[in-house]
Amino acid sequence: EIVLTQSPDFHSVTPKEKVTITCRASQSIGSNLHWFQQKPGQSPKLLIKYVSQSFSGVPSRFSGSGSETDFTLTIDSLEAEDAATYYCHQTTRLPETFGQGTRVEIK
Amino acid sequence: EEQLVESGGGLVQPGGSLRLSCAASGFSVSNNYMSWVRQAPGKGPEWVSSRNGGGGTNYVDSVKGRFTISIDDSTNTVYLQMNSLRVDDTGVYYCTRDTSKGYWGQGTLVTVSS
Repeated sequence: EIVLTQSPDFHSVTPKEKVTITCRASQSIGSNLHWFQQKPGQSPKLLIKYVSQSFSGVPSRFSGSGSETDFTLTIDSLEAEDAATYYCHQTTRLPETFGQGTRVEIK
Repeated sequence: EEQLVESGGGLVQPGGSLRLSCAASGFSVSNNYMSWVRQAPGKGPEWVSSRNGGGGTNYVDSVKGRFTISIDDSTNTVYLQMNSLRVDDTGVYYCTRDTSKGYWGQGTLVTVSS
């Protein structure tokens, strides 16, 4: 099973600050890495698919990068509505797996 | 507009069964990669099962032999038949579309408890 490890687990950030969340895979997963945002009581929402492709309707302040085993989600100029938990997800090898999550709090 | 609506969750005793339904609209489930993902209370998402457009199915080890994913073309619905339910199957079950999971339903809560 491919283990995805996110860092940090928790991020307390002021509005307009830049946020970087990393996701490290236990083995190479190529480009089948996706990022989700989840707010309490809601379903996860796809932000970035296949490392760096923005999903329809997602604000341009969200971007993704990386390859092989190391990946990054960046939120430029954080807004209050971005308070949520963020998950990375790999679909290269079964079983599909998710990272443990990074909770982003607004100061 | 593409939409997924799950139903069928509820309270069941250990060893019991439930069948979850996911009614799709705006696209055909038979031509798409459809998955079930669950989330235990306070935990992150966990992939449970998928069915590809060719009819191939896969399952996480913990549910193999107990859960079955299927579709009904006539009603454009995805099902998850869950047998021999265990306490650790408790959680919100979501239906999703595509490998990258761009579309999710609102989820249905399954509680396995005596």
